[in-house]
Amino acid sequence: DQQVKQNSPSLSVQEGRISILNCDYTNSMFDYFLWYKKYPAEGPTFLISISSIKDKNEDGRFTVFLNKSAKHLSLHIVPSQPGDSAVYFCAARNYGGSQGNLIFGKGTKLSVKP
Amino acid sequence: GAGVSQTPSNKVTEKGKYVELRCDPISGHTALYWYRQSLGQGPEFLIYFQGTGAADDSGLPNDRFFAVRPEGSVSTLKIQRTERGDSAVYLCASSLGGSSYNEQFFGPGTRLTVL
Repeated sequence: DQQVKQNSPSLSVQEGRISILNCDYTNSMFDYFLWYKKYPAEGPTFLISISSIKDKNEDGRFTVFLNKSAKHLSLHIVPSQPGDSAVYFCAARNYGGSQGNLIFGKGTKLSVKP
Repeated sequence: GAGVSQTPSNKVTEKGKYVELRCDPISGHTALYWYRQSLGQGPEFLIYFQGTGAADDSGLPNDRFFAVRPEGSVSTLKIQRTERGDSAVYLCASSLGGSSYNEQFFGPGTRLTVL
């Protein structure tokens, strides 16, 4: 039973437009959420995170929004660039679990077309 | 660079064989993590070390899987009697550790294929 769900396996966006990647979770004990970006043949790279006590965190072109009541978070990329084309993973940490145990979604493959 | 390195990058073995996968974390990182990523899935947690000890091994699927970190730096993931279902990319990550959350830096992974 998946605790972190990314229901869109892929997303295609035109360069310069906004990319919105979505993530849903089921465990109310999650206290920290992260987005990772992965290029082929490389390990995931940390992109941005948000604590469960906040509803928004912004870093340059990347903004993560958290809606705790809906158990939903989203990553906005504005403006999208071709170099953003990668697989994006949503991950969560369980407050009741160990620090190391991140639970990942299946990922969304983003394609930004020039 | 000074990132997390993993060797080998690819490993092909036969069913029933023993394999060892190595991870060199970023210097100074006390926490080390192993994940497994199967095709079409996200990384799945296996085990987490804080220093030399396994702080959480709840993700190891069965007793064929074992990991060590004897000197608190390099770690080895060991898989006995490999099965075809063990085929996956094995990812290692490290972080500063400590009491608050620290970003996990991932290596490029070892692609294990069990024939």
